[in-house]
Amino acid sequence: GAGVSQSPSNKVTEKGKDVELRCDPISGHTALYWYRQSLGQGLEFLIYFQGNSAPDKSGLPSDRFSAERTGGSVSTLTIQRTQQEDSAVYLCASSLSVRETQYFGPGTRLLVL
Amino acid sequence: AQSVTQLGSHVSVSEGALVLLRCNYSSSVPPYLFWYVQYPNQGLQLLLKYTTGATLVKGINGFEAEFKKSETSFHLTKPSAHMSDAAEYFCAVTGYYGNNRLAFGKGNQVVVIP
Repeated sequence: GAGVSQSPSNKVTEKGKDVELRCDPISGHTALYWYRQSLGQGLEFLIYFQGNSAPDKSGLPSDRFSAERTGGSVSTLTIQRTQQEDSAVYLCASSLSVRETQYFGPGTRLLVL
Repeated sequence: AQSVTQLGSHVSVSEGALVLLRCNYSSSVPPYLFWYVQYPNQGLQLLLKYTTGATLVKGINGFEAEFKKSETSFHLTKPSAHMSDAAEYFCAVTGYYGNNRLAFGKGNQVVVIP
């Protein structure tokens, strides 16, 4: 079946611009996670959605980062006023429920110039 | 809170030799443990996982790992390395309770020498 998909695969933007990254989870998966992978920090948790519950935003690095999940499916991660330190690979994962295996998408590689 | 330590960012192994990647974890609750592999420009692929039950876990591509609670370890092994095993490997932990967010180690970049 179809896995987790993310778009765009690559994004180059200028410092100060806003970007939106999209994640399409596996159909039927109720849990959705965003992680960031950067050279300096490794893999870091950003945010978690489970069903209709309030998201766990405890990993978001600043208030420039936000995310939403519409209709319990597609999720969008938005970074406002991008900075060079935001350059990283942003990975999305989904799981059937909260304690099931997380399946990862291919990631969006973001470069802020 | 959970955390993972993986030592040695780069690991070189000869083709046909044993692959051993070490992972030590810290967890305040019963842990779920994972090994993921990442090939260049790809996402993370699950190799194997431990949740409960048998402490020796077998995964894909001939890999296995053993959960040792007394040593807080979950080392990954493969008896005979293949060229296709060249990739980055991440150990991760999450707790039985909570939202299942994964805490990752820094990763091991494995190079297979022919």
